[in-house]
Amino acid sequence: QKEVEQDPGPLSVPEGAIVSLNCTYSNSAFQYFMWYRQYSRKGPELLMYTYSSGNKEDGRFTAQVDKSSKYISLFIRDSQPSDSATYLCAFHRGGGADGLTFGKGTHLIIQP
Amino acid sequence: EAQVTQNPRYLITVTGKKLTVTCSQNMNHEYMSWYRQDPGLGLRQIYYSMNVEVTDKGDVPEGYKVSRKEKRNFPLILESPSPNQTSLYFCASSLDRGRSGYTFGSGTRLTVV
Repeated sequence: QKEVEQDPGPLSVPEGAIVSLNCTYSNSAFQYFMWYRQYSRKGPELLMYTYSSGNKEDGRFTAQVDKSSKYISLFIRDSQPSDSATYLCAFHRGGGADGLTFGKGTHLIIQP
Repeated sequence: EAQVTQNPRYLITVTGKKLTVTCSQNMNHEYMSWYRQDPGLGLRQIYYSMNVEVTDKGDVPEGYKVSRKEKRNFPLILESPSPNQTSLYFCASSLDRGRSGYTFGSGTRLTVV
């Protein structure tokens, strides 16, 4: 079983739609959960960061973590063409652990 | 502005010709890391450093070297590049070993012919 699974897409939705992006993971040691956005030819940038199960909202973005199901989601409301990018989930084990484990990314296309 | 700066952005080189990709951060972060990104394989860690003179291998270290002589700089060295090292490379830094996320550089697109 892969440590992190993320559908690569592409996922194409019309402008204004609600987008749902998801990752599943198998490592129970993961304690910190993140979403990165990566535009073409750019470095990933941190969008959302959560520690516990539940929801965290930031503007049009909501991150959701379900530790019992080992499942995280990113919701984008009122999607815009500028949201077109690749979205990467990432995980950290906490404590003295080093580094992040990344999903392979979902390519999202918002059609005007 | 807080940032990680990589140079060069694009590089085409020939097999066997030593090269260095530079990385510098202005956030006083102790932790720095190098990743390569390939289609279908995602981001894979090459090397990381927890502080000056402290470096360790990541998941794909073969063919690469790093050094950390100063806190702000973390160069990636390819002593004898081969075509399978053609990739997109990212340097990243973190305040807390990645626990609250990384700041990434803009990337270096390397082609080895």
